[in-house]
Amino acid sequence: DSGVTQTPKHLITATGQRVTLRCSPRSGDLSVYWYQQSLDQGLQFLIQYYNGEERAKGNILERFSAQQFPDLHSELNLSSLELGDSALYFCASSVDEGEETQYFGPGTRLLVL
Amino acid sequence: EDQVTQSPEALRLQEGESSSLNCSYTVSGLRGLFWYRQDPGKGPEFLFTLYSAGEEKEKERLKATLTKKESFLHITAPKPEDSATYLCAVLANFGNEKLTFGTGTRLTIIP
Repeated sequence: DSGVTQTPKHLITATGQRVTLRCSPRSGDLSVYWYQQSLDQGLQFLIQYYNGEERAKGNILERFSAQQFPDLHSELNLSSLELGDSALYFCASSVDEGEETQYFGPGTRLLVL
Repeated sequence: EDQVTQSPEALRLQEGESSSLNCSYTVSGLRGLFWYRQDPGKGPEFLFTLYSAGEEKEKERLKATLTKKESFLHITAPKPEDSATYLCAVLANFGNEKLTFGTGTRLTIIP
């Protein structure tokens, strides 16, 4: 158990809908990262937050957004969902933005029908 | 752009048969190279971080080594519970904090 928690574990929704994925980092960790893992592309970095502020962006679609709250939990919002958004979404956390090791949560499996 | 290539894509070994997994990387200044283990449908589990060429780290039946262009994950006398996908990732000195992952090696240990 990495100490990173994610909810929900599974999510099934329809095209065009909007969903919110939630992540709680390890106790004491200030940085949160979001990754997408699909069968054909492996793990892809989406976005990083540090202590409430956006720090880095990867190949995140404009339909996706995230935020980190004062209690350091983070939410990833996915809107206007398409079939291709079906994937595993992982959250990771690290102590701070200079600490390299990222610890991953169990993931949320999203299925868009 | 940072790149990570892992080989082989899949590897089947008999229990007790030692082998090595390869991770080749191209990065604009390496801050760290990471090995993770991932079981199906689960999150990646951290194994090792390597920072400089020549560095080695061990954990049970696993040993990770690093050169200037690649890293190896050596598995000695593996057991069926070592079956998993092993992921390699790099973090660059410059730019943002994202990990760039390889596509992994799917390891199966046959009893």
